[in-house]
Amino acid sequence: DGGITQSPKYLFRKEGQNVTLSCEQNLNHDAMYWYRQDPGQGLRLIYYSQIVNDFQKGDIAEGYSVSREKKESFPLTVTSAQKNPTAFYLCASTGPGQFDTQYFGPGTRLTVL
Amino acid sequence: AQKVTQAQTEISVVEKEDVTLDCVYETRDTTYYLFWYKQPPSGELVFLIRRNSFDEQNEISGRYSWNFQKSTSSFNFTITASQVVDSAVYFCALFNAGGTSYGKLTFGQGTILTVHP
Repeated sequence: DGGITQSPKYLFRKEGQNVTLSCEQNLNHDAMYWYRQDPGQGLRLIYYSQIVNDFQKGDIAEGYSVSREKKESFPLTVTSAQKNPTAFYLCASTGPGQFDTQYFGPGTRLTVL
Repeated sequence: AQKVTQAQTEISVVEKEDVTLDCVYETRDTTYYLFWYKQPPSGELVFLIRRNSFDEQNEISGRYSWNFQKSTSSFNFTITASQVVDSAVYFCALFNAGGTSYGKLTFGQGTILTVHP
């Protein structure tokens, strides 16, 4: 089945640790996105990538990093510099054009202990 | 700048009632796309509908219908004969085709819909 997978579903991290969230898609989409969702709020864009080996900052990129070495994969690293990382993280993809609908993965809930 | 406002934070209805979720948007672009997504308790966002700014026809899909009015910058969503399975958070989103951020969606705050049996 085609779709977007994110792992893990739940993630716990101690303060000061970096952690990487996985996002994989087999839809052959060119563009991929990372959003953050806080309780009672809409989604905010962290990073996005239009093509392999290229990515751009979104609205709240500070404290996060990404890579795009393969078309199918767009991992997000939450670094220790991110002051308030506890949130729900959603990955999305779209293609072949930027006007196409974004489809979302199941999300990863990150909790910092 | 673009903005999406969903003024209803929470709505509670009893099964079989009709319910309308409001969405008002702001944009300076003439070409844009509007979306509705459903987020059930599992967390995944489920795509419901997409509309471009040149298509003001209302759409009906089963119990769901959408009313797009450019004159009032609104894109409202109605569920007819609501069911418990409709309980979720619903998001309205805007994409500006002329924007500088590739494919960036601007989301409203979401409306929590609870349908009681």
